Amino acid sequence: GEDVEQSLFLSVREGDSSVINCTYTDSSSTYLYWYKQEPGAGLQLLTYIFSNMDMKQDQRLTVLLNKKDKHLSLRIADTQTGDSAIYFCAETDDKIIFGKGTRLHILP
Amino acid sequence: DAGVIQSPRHEVTEMGQEVTLRCKPISGHNSLFWYRQTMMRGLELLIYFNNNVPIDDSGMPEDRFSAKMPNASFSTLKIQPSEPRDSAVYFCASSLKDRAGEQYFGPGTRLTVT
Repeated sequence: GEDVEQSLFLSVREGDSSVINCTYTDSSSTYLYWYKQEPGAGLQLLTYIFSNMDMKQDQRLTVLLNKKDKHLSLRIADTQTGDSAIYFCAETDDKIIFGKGTRLHILP
Repeated sequence: DAGVIQSPRHEVTEMGQEVTLRCKPISGHNSLFWYRQTMMRGLELLIYFNNNVPIDDSGMPEDRFSAKMPNASFSTLKIQPSEPRDSAVYFCASSLKDRAGEQYFGPGTRLTVT
């Protein structure tokens, strides 16, 4: 069945780049998504990439897609304290499948 | 738009009591999703509706859980009777039917069953 895997934790120093990785199983996914969840809040759509693209950049965010390896990554440049959150990778087939989320911790 | 609205934000109840969680989706959205989030199991999809019709309830854990969507602007998730293991944060989300990956989440209801 469909599955989305992510590492659970990542610690990064403020000002450095954060790279959050994800692998997925459903090669028919048309879009792949990154959601952000801040403490005490619901998930918020951060960005998404169409499956025929390799890269998408949006300000400090860069999404890389390796469709052959079914690998998706989210790079956050110049990581700030406000980026501290849980980041969820997701794929869609007939319904959306979320990974378990990567908790990003920012070190001073 | 006010976004997805959920009530109550917090609910504390005793085991065996009935709990009803409420959700108002974003106006114009025709898909609605109920999720449960815990530290142990992460984010789980319980049920989703398209055009007020339940499409997939395979994530509903037991017969104690039921969900309804009587109209396009309101949905409920009911637990009867509640048990301590139902303690979690319950999220409602909505989207356009053809853009199910672009979901808008409510702030969640934190349920504690003692």
